[in-house]
Amino acid sequence: DAGVIQSPRHEVTEMGQEVTLRCKPISGHNSLFWYRQTMMRGLELLIYFNNNVPIDDSGMPEDRFSAKMPNASFSTLKIQPSEPRDSAVYFCASSQDQGRTDTQYFGPGTRLTVL
Amino acid sequence: GNSVTQMEGPVTLSEEAFLTINCTYTATGYPSLFWYVQYPGEGLQLLLKATKADDKGSNKGFEATYRKETTSFHLEKGSVQVSDSAVYFCALNENNQGGKLIFGQGTELSVKP
Repeated sequence: DAGVIQSPRHEVTEMGQEVTLRCKPISGHNSLFWYRQTMMRGLELLIYFNNNVPIDDSGMPEDRFSAKMPNASFSTLKIQPSEPRDSAVYFCASSQDQGRTDTQYFGPGTRLTVL
Repeated sequence: GNSVTQMEGPVTLSEEAFLTINCTYTATGYPSLFWYVQYPGEGLQLLLKATKADDKGSNKGFEATYRKETTSFHLEKGSVQVSDSAVYFCALNENNQGGKLIFGQGTELSVKP
């Protein structure tokens, strides 16, 4: 079975540009999560969806960040405009459901560099 | 609020040495506890989990026991291999947080031949 798929794997852009990160969750999973990983702050949950509906977006840093899940097999995280401090590895994860015992399966990540 | 604290790394061991990575947590309810591993350049993979007190999770020679009395979930392995070199993350998921995982800061393990 295919795991969580993310694209692109690497993105280098200039400050002020729009960046779109993409994620395809594991088929049949109802919950999708976006995380950001940096050396300074570790792993942070940005937002998560259940059945395509955003449930908790309290981790989204500011209005420059937005996330959508138009259907069960696709989600995007958009940064507009991007800033150098957004440089990080962004992970998408999915799980069967949103219960406390559910395992989250992570994608390989997108390494974003904003110059 | 909920939090997870791990021992600081990096941890450097020789092959076949015994490994312990400490993890303690703070939670108001009854969380599930997880250990994830991240190999260089990859995403996180579930290593093991425990969903209630006194449960022991195990996988690939690694073990961790959910100790409610000490709020701990220490990771152990009796004999590490070079291939175990990675970053290890302890995490909790508390019932009232929905699907939200709270991660520790990660502990880097380096195993030398």
